[in-house]
Amino acid sequence: RKEVEQDPGPFNVPEGATVAFNCTYSNSASQSFFWYRQDCRKEPKLLMSVYSSGNEDGRFTAQLNRASQYISLLIRDSKLSDSATYLCVVGYNFNKFYFGSGTKLNVKP
Amino acid sequence: GAVVSQHPSWVICKSGTSVKIECRSLDFQATTMFWYRQFPKQSLMLMATSNEGSKATYEQGVEKDKFLINHASLTLSTLTVTSAHPEDSSFYICSARGGHNEQFFGPGTRLTVL
Repeated sequence: RKEVEQDPGPFNVPEGATVAFNCTYSNSASQSFFWYRQDCRKEPKLLMSVYSSGNEDGRFTAQLNRASQYISLLIRDSKLSDSATYLCVVGYNFNKFYFGSGTKLNVKP
Repeated sequence: GAVVSQHPSWVICKSGTSVKIECRSLDFQATTMFWYRQFPKQSLMLMATSNEGSKATYEQGVEKDKFLINHASLTLSTLTVTSAHPEDSSFYICSARGGHNEQFFGPGTRLTVL
């Protein structure tokens, strides 16, 4: 079983739609959680850290559910520029990080 | 946000040569840096964890004598691909760990071995 699992998608949504991704992790001792976005042939860029209380940054909301071992990312009012691959990253033991394979989002006009 | 640079951004070399890639944290110090490899349409794969002043920790299946890592300062880690072969062609990305355990990625180095 993979440490971190994501639905690869693609999620094809119209502009203005709300879309949500989930990411499950297998290690209950995981301590840190992040969402990154990666554009084609580019490096991942940190989108947001995910805290136990959940956090929001503009149109993006991230939540952590420790009991069910998943994190989620909600994007409201999707823009064309949101089209990218979204990577879920889970860390434990301070130096150990596991990446999901990414969820591809296509926002269409 | 924190900035991480990589050099070179792309390199083409002949089979059998060695290639050195530099990863620098430009506006912060990083005791820990990571080296990843990504093949087309695949996820990032961690190769090794680079700790300043000590030996790197390699992931299972990654040859330490093939991929030499040096982290001599708090702002610089280098990855040397020794005796590169076509199967080593890939996108190599480094990251530096920030103060809240997040990672800031370099722009990557695209290596093509002929």
